[in-house]
Amino acid sequence: QKEVEQDPGPLSVPEGAIVSLNCTYSNSAFQYFMWYRQYSRKGPELLMYTYSSGNKEDGRFTAQVDKSSKYISLFIRDSQPSDSATYLCASSHRDYKLSFGAGTTVTVRA
Amino acid sequence: SQTIHQWPATLVQPVGSPLSLECTVEGTSNPNLYWYRQAAGRGLQLLFYSIGIGQISSEVPQNLSASRPQDRQFILSSKKLLLSDSGFYLCACSREYTEAFFGQGTRLTVV
Repeated sequence: QKEVEQDPGPLSVPEGAIVSLNCTYSNSAFQYFMWYRQYSRKGPELLMYTYSSGNKEDGRFTAQVDKSSKYISLFIRDSQPSDSATYLCASSHRDYKLSFGAGTTVTVRA
Repeated sequence: SQTIHQWPATLVQPVGSPLSLECTVEGTSNPNLYWYRQAAGRGLQLLFYSIGIGQISSEVPQNLSASRPQDRQFILSSKKLLLSDSGFYLCACSREYTEAFFGQGTRLTVV
């Protein structure tokens, strides 16, 4: 079993819709949670970083962590065609290694 | 903020040839350094990580090796490439246990 599970999609939404992305993890020791955005043929770019449970908001992006259910979410409000990319969730604990989900491919249709 | 330089961006190599990919980091000192491989449509597979000069941990047994000759330099090598070594190789750095930042990657095709 992978430590972080993520539905690979693909997910297609119209412009302006809310994009909802989810991951689950199995390691209860995970304390650090991240979301990355990856455009085709580029390296992943850090979008959101959260420590422990709770919500974090940055512009149109909101990250949620529920440690009781081992659930990680990313919401993108007012989605734009430029948000079309693959989104990767990642988790870690105090051992220097990140565990990544497989990534969800999102297409925002103009 | 840190910047990760990786080169080359693309590489086509014949089976059995050697490989050397270099990664250098600017804007931070004593970073943790990582090599990941990403197969097409797949997630990131951690290959090696290093918490200091000369300290390398291997996650996946294979014909690849890594070295860290300087604090902000990380090298991925192979003596003889296999077809299965094709993929997108990413170098990343982090501080302590926090988020990692990635370079732009090298797309390796072994023919």
